[in-house]
Amino acid sequence: DVKVTQSSRYLVKRTGEKVFLECVQDMDHENMFWYRQDPGLGLRLIYFSYDVKMKEKGDIPEGYSVSREKKERFSLILESASTNQTSMYLCASSLIAGGSTYEQYFGPGTRLTVT
Amino acid sequence: AQRVTQPEKLLSVFKGAPVELKCNYSYSGSPELFWYVQYSRQRLQLLLRHISRESIKGFTADLNKGETSFHLKKPFAQEEDSAMYYCALSRPGSGNTGKLIFGQGTTLQVKP
Repeated sequence: DVKVTQSSRYLVKRTGEKVFLECVQDMDHENMFWYRQDPGLGLRLIYFSYDVKMKEKGDIPEGYSVSREKKERFSLILESASTNQTSMYLCASSLIAGGSTYEQYFGPGTRLTVT
Repeated sequence: AQRVTQPEKLLSVFKGAPVELKCNYSYSGSPELFWYVQYSRQRLQLLLRHISRESIKGFTADLNKGETSFHLKKPFAQEEDSAMYYCALSRPGSGNTGKLIFGQGTTLQVKP
């Protein structure tokens, strides 16, 4: 059974703080993703990684960076948190797609509030 | 640009009524489409994908290339179907990345 875990369910940070969100998967998946989930906007891709130390920007990367030093761990970093980054953050992982796209497995989410 | 549109933010039906959650996409090639579901206090999970042509929990979805739609249907809604539903399109040209484009989501509320 695939397990994707996220370090915190709820997080409250102050404007300007540096924030680290951690994600760990235990199924040896190559692909890992970070999304924001906002009402009325759906899921928006922030960053994507297809291998250790490899990353690609998603649709909304501004204000974020990522780190993938080990295959199982993918970290999202808010360099200087702002109130407009208050959101639910979802991590996901999947196998490398061959002829078709594999299922993405999601973590439980981290609800971040920036005050 | 490729896009997925779910026109309804909220769909409210009574138990036993038919359900249709709408999804329209914009992509000129052969799409790969999915429905993901998030039940209350649970994580987002895959419900079904169009290439499997399967029925999961009584739900089916047919790809209509002419109308560029992938609507999710169930003939008789149950209270346990209440959840947030997302339609997703595999990003064309994404190679082996498996990246998806998600719609805005539709909350299905099934009333007793």
